[in-house]
Amino acid sequence: AQSVTQLGSHVSVSEGALVLLRCNYSSSVPPYLFWYVQYPNQGLQLLLKYTTGATLVKGINGFEAEFKKSETSFHLTKPSAHMSDAAEYFCAVSPFFGNEKLTFGTGTRLTIIP
Amino acid sequence: GAGVSQSPSNKVTEKGKDVELRCDPISGHTALYWYRQSLGQGLEFLIYFQGNSAPDKSGLPSDRFSAERTGGSVSTLTIQRTQQEDSAVYLCASSPGGETHSPLHFGNGTRLTVT
Repeated sequence: AQSVTQLGSHVSVSEGALVLLRCNYSSSVPPYLFWYVQYPNQGLQLLLKYTTGATLVKGINGFEAEFKKSETSFHLTKPSAHMSDAAEYFCAVSPFFGNEKLTFGTGTRLTIIP
Repeated sequence: GAGVSQSPSNKVTEKGKDVELRCDPISGHTALYWYRQSLGQGLEFLIYFQGNSAPDKSGLPSDRFSAERTGGSVSTLTIQRTQQEDSAVYLCASSPGGETHSPLHFGNGTRLTVT
């Protein structure tokens, strides 16, 4: 069965600093990978997704993620944190074959320090 | 356009009572999901409907949980004989289903509190 592991349930960075949120997946075949974000008092929304092709994926609000098969990772980064980036971030995986059921990680709450 | 709508937004119930949670997906979306979000637990998959196919019920935690989707649109998640551990936010999401792995559109959830 596929799964994702998010290292660090809470991450704090200073405004303007690099944001790095870690996600590792477990799957026998490279799956589809996603990052979703949940801003305070809002529903989840898609940040970016990797299906096939280019391994560096760009998303909304300046975020990007790189699929690394050798490391089974899909870490999320943003060069310079903004106060509005404070939210909970979820990594998710969907199988390459079969139905499209998304399996989510436990989430990382990002806090931005002014 | 209208997004995924869930009702009620909050529900407080006594232990042992039955509850029904409703989800109105985006019109035309063939795929519908239910997830449960508990503090520190992330999003737990419950059930997945895709068109007229048999639903994937592999995430339902016990036989007290059931869900149906009538006419390929509205879905109802029913929890019978609620327990305190059922307290969580129940999220519904839909997607077009036609494009492989299209993004999920989430509702704002129903916060269930079992006292």
